Amino acid sequence: KQEVTQIPAALSVPEGENLVLNCSFTDSAIYNLQWFRQDPGKGLTSLLLIQSSQREQTSGRLNASLDKSSGRSTLYIAASQPGDSATYLCAGPSGAGSYQLTFGKGTKLSVIP
Amino acid sequence: ETGVTQTPRHLVMGMTNKKSLKCEQHLGHNAMYWYKQSAKKPLELMFVYNFKEQTENNSVPSRFSPECPNSSHLFLHLHTLQPEDSALYLCASSHGTGGTDNEQFFGPGTRLTVL
Repeated sequence: KQEVTQIPAALSVPEGENLVLNCSFTDSAIYNLQWFRQDPGKGLTSLLLIQSSQREQTSGRLNASLDKSSGRSTLYIAASQPGDSATYLCAGPSGAGSYQLTFGKGTKLSVIP
Repeated sequence: ETGVTQTPRHLVMGMTNKKSLKCEQHLGHNAMYWYKQSAKKPLELMFVYNFKEQTENNSVPSRFSPECPNSSHLFLHLHTLQPEDSALYLCASSHGTGGTDNEQFFGPGTRLTVL
């Protein structure tokens, strides 16, 4: 059964800093991994989807990487802004060939002005 | 309306009430999902529908009853809930359920409080 872990649970950085959020998963037989953002009390916003054939995916100041062999994905945020403050979740398929997603508990990011 | 919408956004109900949550997706997707998000716990998948057919029920208590009349609409009927059912209920949709089709898009959620 897939397990997804996100470390740290919370992170506070000054505005302008570059930062990395980590996601690890136990079952490397995944075909993609998805990163989401969640604002307090709100739904999830899809940020990036990385296919297993890709090593990186970029959108604006966000860059996500996927290393299946080590069971890790990272989300890099460049030049952080207060508006980036939110909880960031990663999710991967629950098992080989599964369409169900297993979510991590998220990393709560606070960007201090 | 665009994306995935959910109504109501907030719901307070007693344990003997019957209520329904509604989800609608405007993305032309074929799969729809219900998730439960409780404080300090990861999202938990409840139900999956693909082309209006239920393909997954993750051991959800029968007091939660889903309904999918078509690929664009998904309901969650609630009755005789318990206070521990208070949570954020999220709906999501994806183009399909296989391979690269499973990128999921979420609605804003319904914040449910059971008194």
